[in-house]
Formats: sequence, structure tokens, C-alpha cells
Amino acid sequence: GAGVSQTPSNKVTEKGKYVELRCDPISGHTALYWYRQSLGQGPEFLIYFQGTGAADDSGLPNDRFFAVRPEGSVSTLKIQRTERGDSAVYLCASSLIGGKGSYNEQFFGPGTRLTVL
Amino acid sequence: SQQGEEDPQALSIQEGENATMNCSYKTSINNLQWYRQNSGRGLVHLILIRSNEREKHSGRLRVTLDTSKKSSSLLITASRAADTASYFCATDALTGGFKTIFGAGTRLFVKA
Repeated sequence: GAGVSQTPSNKVTEKGKYVELRCDPISGHTALYWYRQSLGQGPEFLIYFQGTGAADDSGLPNDRFFAVRPEGSVSTLKIQRTERGDSAVYLCASSLIGGKGSYNEQFFGPGTRLTVL
Repeated sequence: SQQGEEDPQALSIQEGENATMNCSYKTSINNLQWYRQNSGRGLVHLILIRSNEREKHSGRLRVTLDTSKKSSSLLITASRAADTASYFCATDALTGGFKTIFGAGTRLFVKA
């Protein structure tokens, strides 16, 4: 595809359930980022992948959050035992090259709006 | 926690006027970027300025960077109603991880 895609666009779940959010980055982009954004706030960094490996997961709020990128392309953000406070828009972005010293812009997907009831 | 802070939080201007938004950050950076977001979804990259640059232009956009004051400004000249959006600055720290830190944003409303 031409841009970053994310599925689903909306997800409603109940407290305590498990959810998976998917991100398809732009083909050939080695760097992938996950953010979450609450209403009226800027995106909050969660995790950064360089290829298949998570180079920086310092933004994951707790061990209920986990993300994978097994083949260096598609990534899945997994949230266990969801809580109402997890409700937010989850954004994915990719860039051609990431890491220190890179000056590549990030291309963002449209986001997944997660609502935990 | 967010590193960048934008001001003002909200800005309302008439079409044709200039809009200036400011961003401050806390640590030494590799680069600073400005993004626009419409309707709370999907950020669009506007411009990137490297830490060794002081000013950059792109169309109606002008960005300045003052690393001694840890601040940046975004100027939109001759604003249009279509410029109505939220604008965020984002920084990549020079050391300590690979995270990109966004500010809380400036909400710009351009009246036709």
C-alpha cells in the first residue's frame, strides 16, 4: 500500500479482555513506532522497532503491553487484561531508517481507537 | 511524560493572518520535527530541522530552532481555513534511547 495502515480502525472491548492491534508499515521501512494518544494530548511513545527487534520499549506502561514484529514488517501491539485507562487512539508510524543520527520523517497510520468499557 | 511543550495551547486567527506556535523541550536533541493532525487521527509530517540548523523554510512554513534556549517556533504565513488543525513538535533525544517525544500541541483555528 501507499501508506501505513492500521486495523481495526475502532475496537470496543470489555475490561479484562485481551486485544491485538495491527500495523502494516510502508514497504521497505525498517523503523516502526507505536504511540498512544489520549484526547487533547500529544502522542505518547510506547515502543520502537528497528527491523525485528525492539530497540526501545521504555514507553510501554506496564507488562500488560507487548509488541512484536517477527518478520520486520507487520507489527502487532498486544494488550492483556485491558483496563478502562487503556482507552486511547493507538498510532503506528514507520520511517525508512530509524535510530540515532537518522533524519527520516515518520509516516503515521490513521490509528486504532480503543475503547475499554 | 511529555518532553515538549507548545504554546499557546490554542490559537484562533483570521484567514490571511500569520500563525506562530512555540515549542520548548528539556534535553539535548538530535532533531526537531513539526507535525499536523486533523480530527485527532493520522499525523502528517511538516518539517524537520536538525540540531545544527537554525532556520528552515518549506512553502508557507518557517521553522526556527534555538538550541541554547531549547526552543523552536513554527510560523505559518498567510493562513488558510484548511490550516485548521493541531500542531505538534516532536524531538529525538541525542542520548538515552530512541523515543520520539511529542508535546501536547497547539490547536489552531483559522476563521474564513
